[in-house]
Amino acid sequence: AQRVTQPEKLLSVFKGAPVELKCNYSYSGSPELFWYVQYSRQRLQLLLRHISRESIKGFTADLNKGETSFHLKKPFAQEEDSAMYYCALPWGGSTLGRLYFGRGTQLTVWP
Amino acid sequence: EAQVTQNPRYLITVTGKKLTVTCSQNMNHEYMSWYRQDPGLGLRQIYYSMNVEVTDKGDVPEGYKVSRKEKRNFPLILESPSPNQTSLYFCASSFSVMVGRTGELFFGEGSRLTVL
Repeated sequence: AQRVTQPEKLLSVFKGAPVELKCNYSYSGSPELFWYVQYSRQRLQLLLRHISRESIKGFTADLNKGETSFHLKKPFAQEEDSAMYYCALPWGGSTLGRLYFGRGTQLTVWP
Repeated sequence: EAQVTQNPRYLITVTGKKLTVTCSQNMNHEYMSWYRQDPGLGLRQIYYSMNVEVTDKGDVPEGYKVSRKEKRNFPLILESPSPNQTSLYFCASSFSVMVGRTGELFFGEGSRLTVL
């Protein structure tokens, strides 16, 4: 069973448009969730994490326990946001260990 | 420079020929982990290590072995590689196993393995 679901394999928007990358999870406790990003020819890197509630590069993500979602949002997409985005869930809750990633969403921002 | 280093970056081998992909981090990280990335399947965890001499299976451990004899190294061993292990492999490490302390994974550049 998929622990982390990213329903969109590909997502395209125009520059300046709002963007939302969806992430749904399956977890019975209080989840700790992350978004990782992979820009072209770069290493995977952390974008943001639920626990710190910060905004990075204009992106935010809110944990919705009722909908079991952790969607990534940005009000005005930029061309440099084009990348592969992964949602991740540590199965141990407050500890790493078994870590599940979604299948990823490739975001393309057109000029 | 603080980083996670994987070797080799590219490898073409044949079925059954044992190989090892090395992973080394110079950040004194406690947690290390291996993933494979396949088109349409995203990242899947192979093995992880919470500390020296402590390793455990991830989601897809079949056909792989690991060891963690030293804190900095976490090699991935394919005893008898098969074509279905053709993939892009990533090693990652984190300062702490506790999500609240950092939880941030630092990734290597990846090792592209082809098994013929």
